[in-house]
Amino acid sequence: DAGVIQSPRHEVTEMGQEVTLRCKPISGHNSLFWYRQTMMRGLELLIYFNNNVPIDDSGMPEDRFSAKMPNASFSTLKIQPSEPRDSAVYFCASSVQARTEAFFGQGTRLTVV
Amino acid sequence: AQSVTQLDSQVPVFEEAPVELRCNYSSSVSVYLFWYVQYPNQGLQLLLKYLSGSTLVKGINGFEAEFNKSQTSFHLRKPSVHISDTAEYFCAVSPNNDMRFGAGTRLTVKP
Repeated sequence: DAGVIQSPRHEVTEMGQEVTLRCKPISGHNSLFWYRQTMMRGLELLIYFNNNVPIDDSGMPEDRFSAKMPNASFSTLKIQPSEPRDSAVYFCASSVQARTEAFFGQGTRLTVV
Repeated sequence: AQSVTQLDSQVPVFEEAPVELRCNYSSSVSVYLFWYVQYPNQGLQLLLKYLSGSTLVKGINGFEAEFNKSQTSFHLRKPSVHISDTAEYFCAVSPNNDMRFGAGTRLTVKP
């Protein structure tokens, strides 16, 4: 398996624009997580899905953030409108089932100017 | 509520010296515990995990960790570090269906 695949690897956008980050989890994994990593706040859990259903989105910072998982092999994290303080590395991770080890993608480095 | 505290933000050490990275957790339920490593510009990679059984857990790259329930700790150790161990290390807990990470410890191995 190719592991968790995230795209794009880098994204530079202007403030106010919509940004969509994409994630393909490992086949057969039932849990999917979105994290944000910054120097100031470390690694924050934004939202996680179990069997394509959002379980806990309490980490989503604002209504400008939304996440979907239309099927078992694809998830998106959308920011609309984007702001400079959204600049961070966003990681997607998946696991076979809840409470087991999570496998991380390479991350998307988002820069909002 | 559950939380993870990594007691040292940075740990400098000389090559071939032993190292311990400290992690304490708090949780109202039993937890699964993990250590991950992050190399520059990469995602996180699992080093080792504690789910149940023996409290001494061995992982990849010569690392090991000991679960201490009474002290709610899960410290990571290596008897002799290499330059290539320079990275960010994260402790994580999974008390429910999610996974929460500590702030990370930057290990710098000097020649």
